[in-house]
Amino acid sequence: QKEVEQNSGPLSVPEGAIASLNCTYSDRVSQSFFWYRQYSGKSPELIMSIYSNGDKEDGRFTAQLNKASQYVSLLIRDSQPSDSATYLCAGYTGGFKTIFGAGTRLFVKA
Amino acid sequence: EAQVTQNPRYLITVTGKKLTVTCSQNMNHEYMSWYRQDPGLGLRQIYYSMNVEVTDKGDVPEGYKVSRKEKRNFPLILESPSPNQTSLYFCASGPDRAYGYTFGSGTRLTVV
Repeated sequence: QKEVEQNSGPLSVPEGAIASLNCTYSDRVSQSFFWYRQYSGKSPELIMSIYSNGDKEDGRFTAQLNKASQYVSLLIRDSQPSDSATYLCAGYTGGFKTIFGAGTRLFVKA
Repeated sequence: EAQVTQNPRYLITVTGKKLTVTCSQNMNHEYMSWYRQDPGLGLRQIYYSMNVEVTDKGDVPEGYKVSRKEKRNFPLILESPSPNQTSLYFCASGPDRAYGYTFGSGTRLTVV
């Protein structure tokens, strides 16, 4: 099992819909969790961090963490074409390392 | 403006010719790290640094060197580049290892 695993996609949603991005992680990853957005040809940009079980909302974004089931998700409400990007899930291991998943490509159709 | 600056953005070099990719941050961050990004493999950590003169290996350190002589700078050195080091490289910094990072704009390296 990869330490941080994501479905590569592409995930395609219509404009205005909710996009749901999921990520599972191994026992090694147990501390903080992050979602980054990466546009094609650009660098990753931090959009959400979550440290404890439950939901965390920031504008149109909601991060959800379930440590018992070892998954973290990102919901994007009212999806816009400008949200089309690759979303990277990352987790901090507690041992000086943050491990990234390979990313999920999201397409929002106008 | 808070940022991580990497140079160069693009580099084509030949096998065995030593090169350095520079990275500088203006946010007074303790933690800095280098990643390479390859299709299907995601971001893989090369080296990281907790503070000045404190560096350690990440998951793929072979063929790379780093130094942290000043807090703001964290150069990546390829002493003898090989074609399998062709990749997209990112420098990142953060206030602490457990927090999210700010990434540089990336360096696309091609070794022929």
